[in-house]
Amino acid sequence: EAQVTQNPRYLITVTGKKLTVTCSQNMNHEYMSWYRQDPGLGLRQIYYSMNVEVTDKGDVPEGYKVSRKEKRNFPLILESPSPNQTSLYFCASSFGGPSGYTFGSGTRLTVV
Amino acid sequence: EDQVTQSPEALRLQEGESSSLNCSYTVSGLRGLFWYRQDPGKGPEFLFTLYSAGEEKEKERLKATLTKKESFLHITAPKPEDSATYLCAYYGQNFVFGPGTRLSVLP
Repeated sequence: EAQVTQNPRYLITVTGKKLTVTCSQNMNHEYMSWYRQDPGLGLRQIYYSMNVEVTDKGDVPEGYKVSRKEKRNFPLILESPSPNQTSLYFCASSFGGPSGYTFGSGTRLTVV
Repeated sequence: EDQVTQSPEALRLQEGESSSLNCSYTVSGLRGLFWYRQDPGKGPEFLFTLYSAGEEKEKERLKATLTKKESFLHITAPKPEDSATYLCAYYGQNFVFGPGTRLSVLP
């Protein structure tokens, strides 16, 4: 089944404790992206990658890091999480350009 | 700044009561307009892509249309299972999502 897999689905952590949210896709998509979704603010792009070893900032990149060492994986790293990073996070992938995204199921992160 | 707005913010319909959702955008160089459905706590699910004014796409009770500055998602004879948040997004230089319309269909 074609899908984007994110882990974990739920995560509660403390301020300052480094964490990684994994994302993997099995559709050979070149384009991958991370979004956060907050009530009243909609989906906002954090980082995106157009291909292996090519990443770029989206609209809200502060406090996040990404890497794209392999085509299928695009982990999101929070080096020192803060409470304002409490949110619902989605990984998405596509063939690139104006083609529709396939989204993961989401990771609900709470930073206390 | 490129923007996407959606109206109404929320919509309640009786089962079978047809209606339309609106997506308006200010953008230069539109390369694609997308509609997604999102159920609570889940990732958005792709519905349609529209590329040029005048284009229409249909899927079951849903029909999406596109003009130069807006898109409509028409819902014909909706059922309770159509209840969800509907998101539109445009692709110019990058994707920009609208805030969504929360649709509730009452039996």
